[in-house]
Amino acid sequence: DSGVTQTPKHLITATGQRVTLRCSPRSGDLSVYWYQQSLDQGLQFLIQYYNGEERAKGNILERFSAQQFPDLHSELNLSSLELGDSALYFCASSAHSGLGETQYFGPGTRLLVL
Amino acid sequence: EDQVTQSPEALRLQEGESSSLNCSYTVSGLRGLFWYRQDPGKGPEFLFTLYSAGEEKEKERLKATLTKKESFLHITAPKPEDSATYLCAVQAMGSQGNLIFGKGTKLSVKP
Repeated sequence: DSGVTQTPKHLITATGQRVTLRCSPRSGDLSVYWYQQSLDQGLQFLIQYYNGEERAKGNILERFSAQQFPDLHSELNLSSLELGDSALYFCASSAHSGLGETQYFGPGTRLLVL
Repeated sequence: EDQVTQSPEALRLQEGESSSLNCSYTVSGLRGLFWYRQDPGKGPEFLFTLYSAGEEKEKERLKATLTKKESFLHITAPKPEDSATYLCAVQAMGSQGNLIFGKGTKLSVKP
């Protein structure tokens, strides 16, 4: 158990809908990262937050957004869902800014868009 | 462009048959190289971090090594419970901390 929690574990929804994925980092960790894992692309970085502020963006679609709250938990919002958004979404956390630090991953949310 | 290539894509071993997994990387300055293990449907589990060429780390049957262009994960006398996908990731000097992952090596160990 990495100490990172994610909810829900599974999510089934329809195209065009909006969903919210939630992540609680390890106790004391300030950075939260979101990654998407699909069968053909592997793990892809989406976005990073550090102590409530956006720090880095990867290949995140404009339909996707995230935020980190004062209690350091984070939410990833996915809207206008398409079939291709079906994937595993992982949250990871690290102690500080992340530079040179190990990232610990949560169990993931499996999203299926029908 | 920063990238990570892992080989082979899949590896089948008999129990006790030692082997190595390869991770080749191209980055504009390496801040760190990370190995993770991932079981089907689960999140990546941290194994090792390596920071500089020549560094080695060991944990049970696993040993990770790093050169200036690649890293190896050596598995000595593997057991069926070592079956998993092994992921390599790098963090580049110019990044804010995000990891760039390879596509992984799927290891199967048969009894």
